[in-house]
Amino acid sequence: SQQGEEDPQALSIQEGENATMNCSYKTSINNLQWYRQNSGRGLVHLILIRSNEREKHSGRLRVTLDTSKKSSSLLITASRAADTASYFCATARVLGGNTPLVFGKGTRLSVIA
Amino acid sequence: GAGVSQSPSNKVTEKGKDVELRCDPISGHTALYWYRQSLGQGLEFLIYFQGNSAPDKSGLPSDRFSAERTGGSVSTLTIQRTQQEDSAVYLCASRPRLAGGWETQYFGPGTRLLVL
Repeated sequence: SQQGEEDPQALSIQEGENATMNCSYKTSINNLQWYRQNSGRGLVHLILIRSNEREKHSGRLRVTLDTSKKSSSLLITASRAADTASYFCATARVLGGNTPLVFGKGTRLSVIA
Repeated sequence: GAGVSQSPSNKVTEKGKDVELRCDPISGHTALYWYRQSLGQGLEFLIYFQGNSAPDKSGLPSDRFSAERTGGSVSTLTIQRTQQEDSAVYLCASRPRLAGGWETQYFGPGTRLLVL
């Protein structure tokens, strides 16, 4: 079963606007990661936030994590047409373990130039 | 350096045929994962390998699916007697030896399988 559920399923914005995607999960986690996928192919890791962190930045990306609500958000600021892709959250449940990441269904982001 | 590679990129087969999908992980990565992604869906875990440990096969949807990892490197996912519902993108990912709980996975480009 899916652990992470992204919201919204699809998002369309104008270039230069900010895009916010949300993820909710069900069980306790060690960390939560966000990945990007272009054209239904391989995923690229964007950012990882650990369960003891509340916010993390990487370039135009800002991720927040609220473990009490079991939710995370990904903010892309000053979006560009090249940001058009699907974005997935994934949770890792075991500290240092080998369990697979559990992915949500993703948010399809379209940035219109 | 070279990333995770997968072959073939695309595979079209007839229902009932067997298919083999190949994954070459990043050199030195000890963990290897297979996922399946149906159209418009998230990733579904299939199987993973970690070093010489027994693989975790808990995600395989049926006994028609199997995977091997030879020499701790290349992996092959085999689907026997393919069905139309097997049509999906099959993604492979590898991960370096854990250090401090770092669990980022590095994905290959995937194999798009279409069963007619």
